[in-house]
Amino acid sequence: EDKVVQSPLSLVVHEGDTVTLNCSYEVTNFRSLLWYKQEKKAPTFLFMLTSSGIEKKSGRLSSILDKKELFSILNITATQTGDSAVYLCAVAGAGGTSYGKLTFGQGTILTVHP
Amino acid sequence: GAVVSQHPSRVICKSGTSVKIECRSLDFQATTMFWYRQFPKKSLMLMATSNEGSKATYEQGVEKDKFLINHASLTLSTLTVTSAHPEDSSFYICSAPTSGRVRYNEQFFGPGTRLTVL
Repeated sequence: EDKVVQSPLSLVVHEGDTVTLNCSYEVTNFRSLLWYKQEKKAPTFLFMLTSSGIEKKSGRLSSILDKKELFSILNITATQTGDSAVYLCAVAGAGGTSYGKLTFGQGTILTVHP
Repeated sequence: GAVVSQHPSRVICKSGTSVKIECRSLDFQATTMFWYRQFPKKSLMLMATSNEGSKATYEQGVEKDKFLINHASLTLSTLTVTSAHPEDSSFYICSAPTSGRVRYNEQFFGPGTRLTVL
């Protein structure tokens, strides 16, 4: 059974701090690892990672994948109150009945105080 | 980016009634859509894979007769919660992967439907 584990489950920081969110996985037929941000409603897409060691960046957010260690991190620098959300890590299967299916981790609840 | 819509966004119903939730891909065709449910402060749990032109594939532990899925066209999938009970109250979210596009396997989520069964 595919499994995705995120840590920490919750994190409270102050504006300007840098945070690192962790995601480890065990999945057959790995295709990609995705990060999502969820506020009040449905998740919004942040990154999709398929190759080891290649960092993806978007503003203050960045992410990297280690396919050998089955691990990914999401970094947020200079955090702002608007970064407060649940961050979800998901792994996508590949081929056959696994196609497109996402297995989600429990999520990390990030709270950024002013 | 691709857009997925859901309707209704919120529904409150009495126990025993059936509720239909629609999921539409607005600017792309989706032969496959996924239905998730999310309990408060919990992560998304995949319920079933909706396949256009064929039967849905349900995850272990999900009752097929309770959660009816119909993928009527390349842009529409519906989830019907039959004979709803209070324990079915949850946040239901659909998604569609945009395979064949540049961002292969990236999934776009609908805004979700909050179901409350009284």
